[in-house]
Amino acid sequence: DAKTTQPPSMDCAEGRAANLPCNHSTISGNEYVYWYRQIHSQGPQYIIHGLKNNETNEMASLIITEDRKSSTLILPHATLRDTAVYYCIVRSLNYGGSQGNLIFGKGTKLSVKP
Amino acid sequence: NAGVTQTPKFQVLKTGQSMTLQCAQDMNHEYMSWYRQDPGMGLRLIHYSVGAGITDQGEVPNGYNVSRSTTEDFPLRLLSAAPSQTSVYFCASSYTGTGVSGANVLTFGAGSRLTVL
Repeated sequence: DAKTTQPPSMDCAEGRAANLPCNHSTISGNEYVYWYRQIHSQGPQYIIHGLKNNETNEMASLIITEDRKSSTLILPHATLRDTAVYYCIVRSLNYGGSQGNLIFGKGTKLSVKP
Repeated sequence: NAGVTQTPKFQVLKTGQSMTLQCAQDMNHEYMSWYRQDPGMGLRLIHYSVGAGITDQGEVPNGYNVSRSTTEDFPLRLLSAAPSQTSVYFCASSYTGTGVSGANVLTFGAGSRLTVL
């Protein structure tokens, strides 16, 4: 799996958009980008994933650059409850049944401030 | 639909004691796994299973045992607890569809906090 690089921490004002970057310059063509978050002491929660097109769901938007070497997770209107550690993970689907073996790095600690 | 249920939420053990962390899911997921999380670190994979009767080791399997007799349950056993096993343990599950991007969408339990004295 391609290695990902994320800033260790970021701040965001409540109500503003939070843009969390992730660098994955060695990503290969069959690898997807997944985002999870972990609110303090809770189990990680899936947010969104994508291959090359931008994706949006009720939680967030995922913007992947055309060369796929980086991506940005966007929380359009951050609230205090979005304060969490956000993990960017790159994973292919070519592991048979074990593709769920995700590697979680240290992520980005997002602090949403009032 | 309860998702992934872990018990107990908290446990204190003495060195050398044994115990089992329980994990159950009601989503008919084939894939299940156990992670541990230590302060300031990311999650590390202990063991995983791709279906009933099939288990395999992850990154940090030493000191832990697993079995998968049913699709729903995936218990994690500590045979002789050590202080180094003090951690928060998370169980996760997903369906396995080769070539399907959703197969990497894990559902996690709320965690089990274990302290070994």
